[in-house]
Amino acid sequence: EVQLVESGGGLVQPGGSLRLSCEASGFTFSSYWMHWVRQVPGKGLVWVSRINSDGSNTGYAGSVKGRFTISRDNAKNTLHLQINSLRAEDTAVYYCARDGGYNYDYAFDYWGQGTLVTVSS
Amino acid sequence: DIQLTQSPSFLSASVGDRVTITCRASQGVSSYLAWYQQKPGKAPKLLISAASTLQSGVPSRFSGSGSGTDFTLTISNLQPEDFATYYCQQLNSYPRTFGGGTEVEIK
Repeated sequence: EVQLVESGGGLVQPGGSLRLSCEASGFTFSSYWMHWVRQVPGKGLVWVSRINSDGSNTGYAGSVKGRFTISRDNAKNTLHLQINSLRAEDTAVYYCARDGGYNYDYAFDYWGQGTLVTVSS
Repeated sequence: DIQLTQSPSFLSASVGDRVTITCRASQGVSSYLAWYQQKPGKAPKLLISAASTLQSGVPSRFSGSGSGTDFTLTISNLQPEDFATYYCQQLNSYPRTFGGGTEVEIK
């Protein structure tokens, strides 16, 4: 069974940093691209970042570029999102999601349960 | 960036109804369009990929159609468990944008 379990969220002051993690199981993690998507409570979904299967290529939404860093440890089946210089508008639930690849026309076929990041003084 | 406009943003329907949600892209995305269902407090769930391919385990009352810029998600014979928020997403280019969502409520 495919499972994605996020951790690392919490309350942080503006300007602070957090490192989110997503532990994957039930599939060959190193074969899949992965994404982070966030959702302000009560609002819509917003794509944040992606990383290719070996970690050599990354991409970011404009709103987070330069502040967020996506990475992965394929030996530990874990995806990370380092978030720096946090702002109130970064408050959201952060989901990791698996890219289904060619067979799913790149739709996100599995999602974690999310981890809440709250930025407040 | 490709903008996706969903309509309506909210709809009220009864069990057994047929409902249609539309998603319009600001530029063509071929068939690189997915639909997700999200229930309160839960992660999104992939329903349809490639505009019309139903995912394994998803009831056949769900269907998707369209290509280019105009897409629809149809739920025939609405069931109590279908009351949720639905999102479209384009997978044609980065950033991977989502529509604003359509909340389907029980009438």
